[in-house]
Order: sequence, then structure tokens, then C-alpha cells
Amino acid sequence: AQSVAQPEDQVNVAEGNPLTVKCTYSVSGNPYLFWYVQYPNRGLQFLLKYITGDNLVKGSYGFEAEFNKSQTSFHLKKPSALVSDSALYFCAVRDLTDSWGKLQFGAGTQVVVTP
Amino acid sequence: EAGVAQSPRYKIIEKRQSVAFWCNPISGHATLYWYQQILGQGPKLLIQFQNNGVVDDSQLPKDRFSAERLKGVDSTLKIQPAKLEDSAVYLCASSLDPGTTEAFFGQGTRLTVV
Repeated sequence: AQSVAQPEDQVNVAEGNPLTVKCTYSVSGNPYLFWYVQYPNRGLQFLLKYITGDNLVKGSYGFEAEFNKSQTSFHLKKPSALVSDSALYFCAVRDLTDSWGKLQFGAGTQVVVTP
Repeated sequence: EAGVAQSPRYKIIEKRQSVAFWCNPISGHATLYWYQQILGQGPKLLIQFQNNGVVDDSQLPKDRFSAERLKGVDSTLKIQPAKLEDSAVYLCASSLDPGTTEAFFGQGTRLTVV
């Protein structure tokens, strides 16, 4: 069975400082990994994904994520956080051995960026 | 490109009543998902369709929840009868396929059961 863990309920960072949101996963086979962001009263918006290839993937709004197979992690990063990045962030995983690609989400991490 | 459309946005019902949610996915997307998101938690997959067939409903409370996807396009999710613990946001999402492509989400329906 696949699972996703986001160990931090909340991350606080000052504007202009680097932002990291942690995610670890567990799957039977190789993973497809995704990051989504959710603003209040909105649906989830796709940020970026790792399918194969370069371990560092770049996405929307200046975000990037690094896939680390040995540590089964896929941490989301942004070099310089903005107040507008304050939102709820979700990591999600698909297991390649699951032919129907069930997309499983973590519990989410609230990011608070202070001016 | 039009996004995933859901209606209604908000619904308040009394326990034991029934309710239905509607979803129109992005045109051409074969895979459709319904998720339940309880406040403070991540989305939980209720049911996944591939075209008009169900491929995963392992977490759907089948004694009260039902869903269908007519002609492989629009979908409805029904709860009958509702319980207090069904209060949540119900999210519909779609993707081109269940593999490498990302899922796109609608804005959700916030259900309050009183």
C-alpha cells in the first residue's frame, strides 16, 4: 500500500527567506510524485511533478522539488518566500505498480510567510 | 481551457436527508476522481472512474454513498442518508489518464450536515 507523510503541520518563514516543505513517501514500486497548493475556499492547484529523469523539478510560482530515492523524499522548496505563498501545501503519490494510478495525498502542511 | 466545474459550492442539510453533487470534468479527461476533505486533513479518495467505469471505490461508504459517471463525462456523487460526520468539502478532479498526468481540481462543494 502507498502512503505519504508530511511531518510538519505548519512551517513559519519570514518573507525573503528560503522555504522548505517536507514530504516522504512509501510505495511498492516506483513513484510518481506531485505537489499541490490550496488557498482558502479553493480547490487544489497543481505546482509540479516528478515522473522520471532529473531529480530536481521546477514548477509554478518559482517552486522546485528534489526527488531523493534513497531517502524516499520529495521536499518542496522555494529560494525566497513571498507573503502570497501562505497557503496549505499537499504532497501526493501514485504507485506505478497500481495500474489505475490511485492518487494518495498527505495530510498537508500550512505555510505561513510573515512580512 | 475550461476547468473542472462543480456545483453547488455550498450545501447545508439536516442529518438523514439526502444530497447530490455534480461535476463536469475537463473535456477529454478520461479519469475522474471524487475526494472527501475533512477540515484539517488531506483529501481522501472516495471513488475513481476511468471513462464510465469504476476502478477504485475501496474507501466509499457504500451503504450511504453512491456515484455514477454517465457517458464517461459528467459525474454525480450522492449521500443518502447523510450523517454529521459527512460534513466536509467534496472535491472533484480529472486527469487525461491515471498515469503521468496531473489531476486538475474543481473548487469543491462544502457540505454542512446539522
